[in-house]
Amino acid sequence: QKEVEQNSGPLSVPEGAIASLNCTYSDRGSQSFFWYRQYSGKSPELIMSIYSNGDKEDGRFTAQLNKASQYVSLLIRDSQPSDSATYLCAVNQPYSSASKIIFGSGTRLSIRP
Amino acid sequence: DTEVTQTPKHLVMGMTNKKSLKCEQHMGHRAMYWYKQKAKKPPELMFVYSYEKLSINESVPSRFSPECPNSSLLNLHLHALQPEDSALYLCASSQDLSGSGSYNEQFFGPGTRLTVL
Repeated sequence: QKEVEQNSGPLSVPEGAIASLNCTYSDRGSQSFFWYRQYSGKSPELIMSIYSNGDKEDGRFTAQLNKASQYVSLLIRDSQPSDSATYLCAVNQPYSSASKIIFGSGTRLSIRP
Repeated sequence: DTEVTQTPKHLVMGMTNKKSLKCEQHMGHRAMYWYKQKAKKPPELMFVYSYEKLSINESVPSRFSPECPNSSLLNLHLHALQPEDSALYLCASSQDLSGSGSYNEQFFGPGTRLTVL
């Protein structure tokens, strides 16, 4: 079983709609969860961090965490063509002597005009 | 604008060359990382430095040699690479290596695109 799983997509969403990206993780001890956006040929950019159960909103982005279900999601409201990118879910690996995050394989999001 | 810088942006090298990748962070962070990313794959961790000491080596071949001269700088020395080592090499930093919370947030530099001929 992969440690962090995401649907690879592509996920196609019309402009102005809500894009919903999902991620599950295997280690119940994980405490820190991150969403990175990566445009083709560029480096990952941190867009959201979440540490507690519930929702965290930042502009058009909402991260949702449910530790009981080992599930984290990212909602993008009013999707724009500039949101077309690969979204990487990342989860910290607990119990290690150093901070280490495990990335999912990423979901490709395409916003169609 | 990223506060993690990497040089060079692109590097082409032969299998017998020796070259170095450089990374600098301007955020006062105490942990720095090297990742390797192949096309359509997530970043793979190579090395972690904490307070200038090597903390994690993910069984990386010895042809990759990291160095952390001070808390702001991280180098990756390359020698006798193989064509399959061609990839995007990413440097990242975080506040430190505490187990949870915002200390874990890693910020990436723009990367060095390496091609080994």
